[in-house]
Amino acid sequence: LAKTTQPISMDSYEGQEVNITCSHNNIATNDYITWYQQFPSQGPRFIIQGYKTKVTNEVASLFIPADRKSSTLSLPRVSLSDTAVYYCLVGDTSPTSYGGSQGNLIFGKGTKLSVKP
Amino acid sequence: EAQVTQNPRYLITVTGKKLTVTCSQNMNHEYMSWYRQDPGLGLRQIYYSMNVEVTDKGDVPEGYKVSRKEKRNFPLILESPSPNQTSLYFCASSSSLAGSYEQYFGPGTRLTVT
Repeated sequence: LAKTTQPISMDSYEGQEVNITCSHNNIATNDYITWYQQFPSQGPRFIIQGYKTKVTNEVASLFIPADRKSSTLSLPRVSLSDTAVYYCLVGDTSPTSYGGSQGNLIFGKGTKLSVKP
Repeated sequence: EAQVTQNPRYLITVTGKKLTVTCSQNMNHEYMSWYRQDPGLGLRQIYYSMNVEVTDKGDVPEGYKVSRKEKRNFPLILESPSPNQTSLYFCASSSSLAGSYEQYFGPGTRLTVT
């Protein structure tokens, strides 16, 4: 199973770009890399997902190098409302006897981002 | 509105008293999962279900049971709760896990076992 490692915490200021890197050395060939955001007392919320190279949406960008052993979530021009915990997720998609993908998903311990004014 | 609902949202109980936390989704998702969240440990998967009548253990299944008799519901059962099961529990669902992990999470259930 692919485990992930992230920094425990990061600090930033409003308007800055924030990059959070996740290490996943044992990522499987069919795995996607997914990032979630979580505010206190709420369930995690999907931010972005990618397989390789670069993915961008209205919220963030995700950079994945060719070896896929790490990924970097980039948040452009953060604001105070971006203060949250960010989780990197890599899953095991090896086929099972059901003909589908395994569902054992491993979240990292998350990176607590604090944005200051 | 597409959502995952959990009940109850808060529960205080005593050791050994069986309890069930319900989870329901209205998106016709095949995949459902339960997680617990504890300070410093992040989210850990308890059980998951790939579809009706198909369930499997996650990383921390001890002390929990689940069932998936219908697609929309995935209850979490604690037959004999213990204080170490005091935690924040989240249910999640996803349309498919074929390389994609966009899960929708419920609001959470805060359980205290005394």
